[in-house]
Amino acid sequence: KAGVTQTPRYLIKTRGQQVTLSCSPISGHRSVSWYQQTPGQGLQFLFEYFSETQRNKGNFPGRFSGRQFSNSRSEMNVSTLELGDSALYLCASSLVGRRLGNEKLFFGSGTQLSVL
Amino acid sequence: GQQLNQSPQSMFIQEGEDVSMNCTSSSIFNTWLWYKQEPGEGPVLLIALYKAGELTSNGRLTAQFGITRKDSFLNISASIPSDVGIYFCAGGQGGSEKLVFGKGTKLTVNP
Repeated sequence: KAGVTQTPRYLIKTRGQQVTLSCSPISGHRSVSWYQQTPGQGLQFLFEYFSETQRNKGNFPGRFSGRQFSNSRSEMNVSTLELGDSALYLCASSLVGRRLGNEKLFFGSGTQLSVL
Repeated sequence: GQQLNQSPQSMFIQEGEDVSMNCTSSSIFNTWLWYKQEPGEGPVLLIALYKAGELTSNGRLTAQFGITRKDSFLNISASIPSDVGIYFCAGGQGGSEKLVFGKGTKLTVNP
């Protein structure tokens, strides 16, 4: 079974530009979550999508947005990039359906975004 | 918001030594997950715990769901150089609630 696939692997952008990152979840997984990881802040939750709807949202500005398609694939977009947006962006998928406790999250390898 | 306190922040050990790390919180969790992340890669799930008091092993790794449901522990026995990485704990309260992650324990193993 293929794992979570994120593209692109590396991205270099300049301030003010916008960027779109893509995530394909594990086949059959219906939930996709996005995290920002920086050395100082650890894993920061951005948002989670389930059945094409945003189910949870972290404390990030509106420049960060996402969507999920009917095949569960997801994209996240960052507009008007700032230097502080440089980070590893991780996508994780989960099955959904567990009645008690959280589903296991399976992470992709991430997209390393550098903003110059 | 909910926070997980993960300790220690970093560990420097000799190959062959045993390792212990833990995560604590003031909140009760129904799920504890442990992940390992190597440089340039995403976190990989090591162990999942769903019941207070549960003790689960994965090879040389053993994790426990604390009886108070506010903490969890990960032990690595007889460490080897490939154990190097950052270990994260994550706690969840179930349903549609998102997981909360600790800040990680960076493990260095000297051959």
